[in-house]
Amino acid sequence: DVKVTQSSRYLVKRTGEKVFLECVQDMDHENMFWYRQDPGLGLRLIYFSYDVKMKEKGDIPEGYSVSREKKERFSLILESASTNQTSMYLCASRPRSYNEQFFGPGTRLTVL
Amino acid sequence: GNSVTQMEGPVTLSEEAFLTINCTYTATGYPSLFWYVQYPGEGLQLLLKATKADDKGSNKGFEATYRKETTSFHLEKGSVQVSDSAVYFCALSEPPNYTGANSKLTFGKGITLSVRP
Repeated sequence: DVKVTQSSRYLVKRTGEKVFLECVQDMDHENMFWYRQDPGLGLRLIYFSYDVKMKEKGDIPEGYSVSREKKERFSLILESASTNQTSMYLCASRPRSYNEQFFGPGTRLTVL
Repeated sequence: GNSVTQMEGPVTLSEEAFLTINCTYTATGYPSLFWYVQYPGEGLQLLLKATKADDKGSNKGFEATYRKETTSFHLEKGSVQVSDSAVYFCALSEPPNYTGANSKLTFGKGITLSVRP
């Protein structure tokens, strides 16, 4: 089974802190994604990566950055957390030639 | 650009009722269509998918047919159970190119289904 894991299920941070959300997949997938999920807005794509060290902006990249130094790991970074970044963050991966994405369990981030 | 529109929710049904959740899409080309489900406290799981017109995806008693003429992919189940209570997302994806750089999923806003005993 494909497994996508996220470093934390719940996280509480203070405004202005630097926050790292980690995602690891164990199926050698080329593509990885970060979404945020908010009530009434569904899932919105923040960033994605289609190869190591490659990254592309999604629909709402402002206030976020990403890092992909190894194929299995994709990190989302909030350089200076703000209260409007309180949300559920979902990571996903997929192989290059297959269009189904596999999701992690999510990290619920609260910024106080 | 691509977009997915789902019917407004939430939806509350009694056990064994018939379920329909509407989904329509706008896309260029020939996208693949998906239904994902999110159970309480969990990430998204693929429920079913269809990759070309007139394909029917099915899983766990749920079905959806890819209707290109009406640009729709409505989800149906003949008899819902309490365990079907979840959030359901309709999504589309363009066929992947070599790099996978076009591999984004476009999601609808999701609809919460509650099934009461």
